[in-house]
Amino acid sequence: NAGVTQTPKFRILKIGQSMTLQCTQDMNHNYMYWYRQDPGMGLKLIYYSVGAGITDKGEVPNGYNVSRSTTEDFPLRLELAAPSQTSVYFCASGNPQETQYFGPGTRLLVL
Amino acid sequence: GDSVTQMEGPVTLSEEAFLTINCTYTATGYPSLFWYVQYPGEGLQLLLKATKADDKGSNKGFEATYRKETTSFHLEKGSVQVSDSAVYFCARGGSQGNLIFGKGTKLSVKP
Repeated sequence: NAGVTQTPKFRILKIGQSMTLQCTQDMNHNYMYWYRQDPGMGLKLIYYSVGAGITDKGEVPNGYNVSRSTTEDFPLRLELAAPSQTSVYFCASGNPQETQYFGPGTRLLVL
Repeated sequence: GDSVTQMEGPVTLSEEAFLTINCTYTATGYPSLFWYVQYPGEGLQLLLKATKADDKGSNKGFEATYRKETTSFHLEKGSVQVSDSAVYFCARGGSQGNLIFGKGTKLSVKP
């Protein structure tokens, strides 16, 4: 049972470039989430999804997009990378008010 | 809005010392409460949780009790080990099915 997997582990982008962070879960959870973690700031919710075909904004959605075509996959897209998007990104899955399971994270550096 | 406040770190203790990390939450509804742990270079792992008032979550010698009257969920351990060195996050369930995190407390345990 792999749980939540994320790729890549680390990426350096130039300002203005785009990329997709991949996330896959094998626990058949309806809810999936993207968080970013900045030093000393805890985790902030970027986007979430309550099921295939349904997504919604979290606390800090600007500069990001998501899609959810299947229960398993929830990719996060950065269209025009900016230095403010330098962060560690975590994908998670779970059900409301219950345990969320986190991926290992993607460390992104925008220069 | 909903929020979680936990004590600032870093916390440095000697092995076998007693640990307390304070956590309070805003009292909108009756959310589930969680403690997550993050070891260096890894994602977040659930440490323990409590889903209703007066519940006690426990795992690996750590404990926390859901206190509705003081809106608190303090983390305690009677005798810490070097292997407990990590960042600890308190969290509550949010209205979007997400988790709302505190800023994290870094614990270092010296032999």
